[in-house]
This record gives sequence, structure tokens and C-alpha cells, in this order.
Amino acid sequence: QLQLQESGPGLVKPSETLSLTCTVSGGSISSSSHYWGWIRQPPEKGLEWIGSVYYSGSTYYNPSLESRVTISVDTSKSQFSLKLSSVTAADTAVYYCTRDGRLNWFDTWGQGTLVSVSS
Amino acid sequence: DIHMTQSPSSLSASVGDRVTITCQASQYIRIYLNWYQQKPGKAPKVLIYDASNLETGVPSRFSGSGSGTDFTLTISSLQPEDIATYYCQQYHILPLTFGGGTKVEIK
Repeated sequence: QLQLQESGPGLVKPSETLSLTCTVSGGSISSSSHYWGWIRQPPEKGLEWIGSVYYSGSTYYNPSLESRVTISVDTSKSQFSLKLSSVTAADTAVYYCTRDGRLNWFDTWGQGTLVSVSS
Repeated sequence: DIHMTQSPSSLSASVGDRVTITCQASQYIRIYLNWYQQKPGKAPKVLIYDASNLETGVPSRFSGSGSGTDFTLTISSLQPEDIATYYCQQYHILPLTFGGGTKVEIK
């Protein structure tokens, strides 16, 4: 059974870079049928798609975050990563890593990790 | 961006009631609409994809309908385990966008 697990610091200082990694197990990150993505959810708020990456390295980003976001994939480690630069308190959220078919629906989610931005 | 508007934002219903949640897209999205259920403290789970297709393992009391700009999620007989927030999501045009959510509670 496919499982995704987020890892990374739970606290980041303002203006610094948020870095998270998602480890894929129970399935292949090199699947030609899937993208791997990040979605976030501020406390008590809705869901926001951040972006997705294909195993080849091709990426799609939400334009609202594109200038600050990098998503990359390491197939040798079955991991993909998120970097969000110049963070502010508005970036405080639960960050989920996900799998989707082809930028359509998200059929597998990690458990989520809360990242707080505070000095 | 395509804006997704859900209504109501919250509702309270009795066990066994029929519950309907609507989602309206700001522009035409064909059938490229999915529904998710999120229980407190948990990650969302896809219920319906392509407007009306039930994801494997999802109880048949959940159903979806609609096309174009107007969509509906129906729970035919509300159960205590259905207490959650429900989100719609479009994938017709990037960026992928979600509705604001509908919180379902038991009366």
C-alpha cells in the first residue's frame, strides 16, 4: 500500500526558507501515471495547492507562490521535496504531500506536518 | 484562477437525513470536479472524482452530480462517521483550486 511521509522542521523563522521532504513507500515514485505534489492548509482554513512534480523533474506551480517555491524529486531515494523561501507568518500551515493522477485528483496523502513561522 | 464556491459553509443534520452540498465554479470546468472528505486532524480523502465517479471503498450513500459550473455532493443517509468538512476541487485549468469547505455536523 502506497504511503507518503512528510519530514522537516516544525518551526521556521520569518524570511528564512521552509524545507520539507516527502518519502514514498509501498510504490514507485517513477510511475509514469502520477505526479507528486504539495498542498497546504493554514489553521482552520481551506486547502491550497502549492505545486506538483513528475518523476522526470517537470514541475507545475501555483502562480500565487511560484516566485518562492521549488519542488524537486530524487528518484534514487524515493523522495520529493518542497522549498518555500522568504516565509512569513502567512505561510504557517499544515503541509501535505500528495500523489495525483495527472494533475487531476489527489488519491494519496501524507499525514501532514505543521510548520509554524515565528521568530 | 478558477474560483470554487461551496454552500452552505456549514450544516447540521440528523442521522439518516439526506444532505446536499453544492459547489459552483467561476467558469466552465466540464466534469473536472472532485470531492474530498476531511475529518478533524486528518488528511483529506477523495470521495468522488470526475463529478460522479465513486472512489473505490467509498460508501454508496455518497454520490456526486453536475457538469459545467454547478455540482452537487449528496449523502443519502447521514451517518455519525460522516462528520467532517467536505471540499470540492477543480482540475480543468491550473492552478488546481479548492472550494472553501462545508462543515457537516450532527444535530
